[in-house]
Amino acid sequence: RKEVEQDPGPFNVPEGATVAFNCTYSNSASQSFFWYRQDCRKEPKLLMSVYSSGNEDGRFTAQLNRASQYISLLIRDSKLSDSATYLCVGSGTYKYIFGTGTRLKVLA
Amino acid sequence: NAGVTQTPKFRVLKTGQSMTLLCAQDMNHEYMYWYRQDPGMGLRLIHYSVGEGTTAKGEVPDGYNVSRLKKQNFLLGLESAAPSQTSVYFCASSSGQNNEQFFGPGTRLTVL
Repeated sequence: RKEVEQDPGPFNVPEGATVAFNCTYSNSASQSFFWYRQDCRKEPKLLMSVYSSGNEDGRFTAQLNRASQYISLLIRDSKLSDSATYLCVGSGTYKYIFGTGTRLKVLA
Repeated sequence: NAGVTQTPKFRVLKTGQSMTLLCAQDMNHEYMYWYRQDPGMGLRLIHYSVGEGTTAKGEVPDGYNVSRLKKQNFLLGLESAAPSQTSVYFCASSSGQNNEQFFGPGTRLTVL
């Protein structure tokens, strides 16, 4: 079993839709979690950190459930520019474990 | 600030050739990392460094060596390239353990 698992998608959604991604992790010792965005043939860039209390940044909401060992990302009012691959990341001692990513395509 | 830069951006090697990839960061970060990204595999850690003069193995270190002689630079070497090392290589840095990582633009390496 992979340490961090994501549904690879693709998720094809119309503009304006709400879409949610989940990510599960197997290492209960993971300390911090992040969502990164990666555009085609580009480097990953931090979208947001994920806190146990949940956090929101504009149209994006991230949640962490330590008891069930999953992280979620909710995107509201999807824009064409949200089309990308979203990487779930867990970190522990000197170590970041990346999921393989979920592809999102927002359609006009 | 340039952030994290990588040199070169593209390279084609023949099997058995050697090369060095250079990563530089201007954020005064202690931690630096080298990853490779392959289709369907996600980012995998090759080597990392927690400070100048220190390096450690990651998940897939075989066939690679690294050096961190200066805090701002982290070099990745391939002594004898193999086709299995065809990949996109990303360097990253962070200010601390469990903090956000900043990535360079990547190096696309093809080994024939």
